[in-house]
Amino acid sequence: AQSVTQPDIHITVSEGASLELRCNYSYGATPYLFWYVQSPGQGLQLLLKYFSGDTLVQGIKGFEAEFKRSQSSFNLRKPSVHWSDAAEYFCAVGALRKLSFGAGTTVTVRA
Amino acid sequence: DARVTQTPRHKVTEMGQEVTMRCQPILGHNTVFWYRQTMMQGLELLAYFRNRAPLDDSGMPKDRFSAEMPDATLATLKIQPSEPRDSAVYFCASGDRQTNTEAFFGQGTRLTVV
Repeated sequence: AQSVTQPDIHITVSEGASLELRCNYSYGATPYLFWYVQSPGQGLQLLLKYFSGDTLVQGIKGFEAEFKRSQSSFNLRKPSVHWSDAAEYFCAVGALRKLSFGAGTTVTVRA
Repeated sequence: DARVTQTPRHKVTEMGQEVTMRCQPILGHNTVFWYRQTMMQGLELLAYFRNRAPLDDSGMPKDRFSAEMPDATLATLKIQPSEPRDSAVYFCASGDRQTNTEAFFGQGTRLTVV
C-alpha cells in the first residue's frame, strides 16, 4: 500500500528565512513523488515532481526537493520565503493511476 | 491556457436534495479523477476514469454517489440524496497517461449541505 506522511501540520517562518517541509512515503516500487501547493480557495498547483534521475529536483517559484531513497523522504525546500508562499503544501506519491496525498502542511509567513 | 474547469464553484443545498458537480478536463487528457477534501480526512480519492471508463470508484459511497463521463469533455459527480456530512470541497483533476504522470486540478466545488 502507498502512503504519505507529512509530520508537520503547521510551520511558521519569517519572510526571507529558509523553509523545509518534510515528507516521508511508503511505496512498493520506484515512487513517483510530487509536491503540490494550495492557496486559500484554490485548487492544487504542481510545484515539482520526481520520477527518476537526479535526486535534486527544481520546481516553480524557487522550490526544490530532494529524493532520498534510503530515508524514504522527499523534503521540499526554499532558500528564502516570500509572503506569497503562505499556503498549504501537499506531498503525494503514486502515478497517474492513483495518487496518495499527505495531510498537508500549512505554512504561515510572518513579516 | 489549458485548465480543468469545475462548475459550480460553490453550492449550498438542503439535505435530501440532489447535487450534480461538473468537470471539464483539459482537452486531450484521458484520465479524470474526483477527490474530496475535508478538514478531517484531507484529500480522498473518490473515483477515477480512463478513456471515460470507470477504473476505480472504491472510495465513493455507492449508495448515494455516482460518477460518470458522458463524453470526453465532461465528467459529473452526483450525490442523491445529499447529507450534511457530504459538505466538503470536491476537486476534479485530469491527466494524460501518455505524456506525463501528473494530475492537473480544477479549482474545486465547495459544497455545503444544510
